[in-house]
This record gives sequence, C-alpha cells and structure tokens, in this order.
Amino acid sequence: QTVVTQEPSLTVSPGGTVTLTCASSTGAVTSYYYPNWIQQKPGQAPRALIYSTSKKHSWTPARFSGSLLGGKAALTLSGVQPEDEAEYYCLLYYGDVRVFGGGTKLTVL
Amino acid sequence: QVQLLQSGGEVKKPGSSVKVSCKASGGTFSSYSFIWVRQAPGQGLEWMGGLTPIFGPSKYAQKFQGRVTITTDESASTGYMELSSLKSEDTAVYYCARGDPYGERIDYWGQGALVTVSS
Repeated sequence: QTVVTQEPSLTVSPGGTVTLTCASSTGAVTSYYYPNWIQQKPGQAPRALIYSTSKKHSWTPARFSGSLLGGKAALTLSGVQPEDEAEYYCLLYYGDVRVFGGGTKLTVL
Repeated sequence: QVQLLQSGGEVKKPGSSVKVSCKASGGTFSSYSFIWVRQAPGQGLEWMGGLTPIFGPSKYAQKFQGRVTITTDESASTGYMELSSLKSEDTAVYYCARGDPYGERIDYWGQGALVTVSS
C-alpha cells in the first residue's frame, strides 16, 4: 500500500513564505509522478493549483510555485495572503493509480 | 468555460448501491480522463478510480476493487461512479474531476455530491 506523506499542519505569517512537501513511501518523488497540488477551503470543492510538478493553471496566483526538493514534491507560497489559509493536498501518479497525501492545513496568522 | 455538474445528494440504506453522475460541458469529452475522489466527514481526499475513454478500461484503488464501477457515456458527456454494498463508512462527499489522458494534470472539479448511508 503506497503512502503519500505531507506535513499535517503549518503556520505562516501574512507576507511570509512557506514550503509544503509531499513524500512517497516508494522512494524519491520525480517528475514522472506528475505531482499535482490541490487547494481546498472549508465547505468548498477542491481547486487545482499546480500540475506536472511546477506548471500552473491559468487561475493559479503567481505566488504559488511547485518544485522537487530533496526527493519530495514541494509547493511554495511566497508573499502569503490571508485567503491562502486552506488545506493543501498533493496527488501523485503511479501509473494505473493515483494517491493523495493526507493534506497540510495551512494557517495564516 | 468548462464545468462539471454532479447529481444531487442521496441517502441510502446499508447494503444498497449509489450511482453519482458528472456531466461535463466545454471541451471534447473523450479527450480527457475523469477521476472520482471521495472525502469522508472531516477527512482528506481519497482517490477512488478513474477512466480515460480513449484508453479504457477503468482503474480502481485497491480499497474499492469489486465495489466500484466507473463508466462514461460519451453521447451524454457524462461520467458515472457506482458504489455497491454501501456501509456507514461510505458516507462522504463524492467528487468527479477532469484531467489530461496521460496522468499529468487534474484541472476542473465538480461541486461534489453528499452520499449519506444510514439505516
């Protein structure tokens, strides 16, 4: 059973920078896992932010960026805004199946 | 403008089945993959399975093998997820989402459908 691990929670100050990571129990995450990052606010449907490690959707704010960092997928928020407070999920592709991470609850305080 | 419009919430008895639909507008239906994701109350997102009509067949998470069936009706631009032998633990919001055929990208999401399993 493949497990994808994220930080359960992180706190960042408005205007600050924070990096969320996503690790795979199978080993280092590479671009072949096509990491996607999804944002979900309470009571709302998920919203896609990043795909294929670092590519942004047309609606993704510029302050969000994706990368690979130390064998993990990473989502960096630079110049955090209060409206960025949300749950963030990574999604990895394993060929026939995909697996979500457990999510990171980001608090902006 | 791409939209995924899901069917409404349902209340089901334990042991029964539920079928949730997801109608896509905008884009060429068969050019995309469709995945199904669920979220139990207070829990995270869970990938259930997916289907790329041009590649087929459907792929399922091991946890749901034998209980879930994902299909599409291209003529209606609609995807379906049927879950059988329902248990109270299946109470969740069920989402559909669209992606590219090769696994790189998930882009648009449906609004979700709450399925409540209760006797």
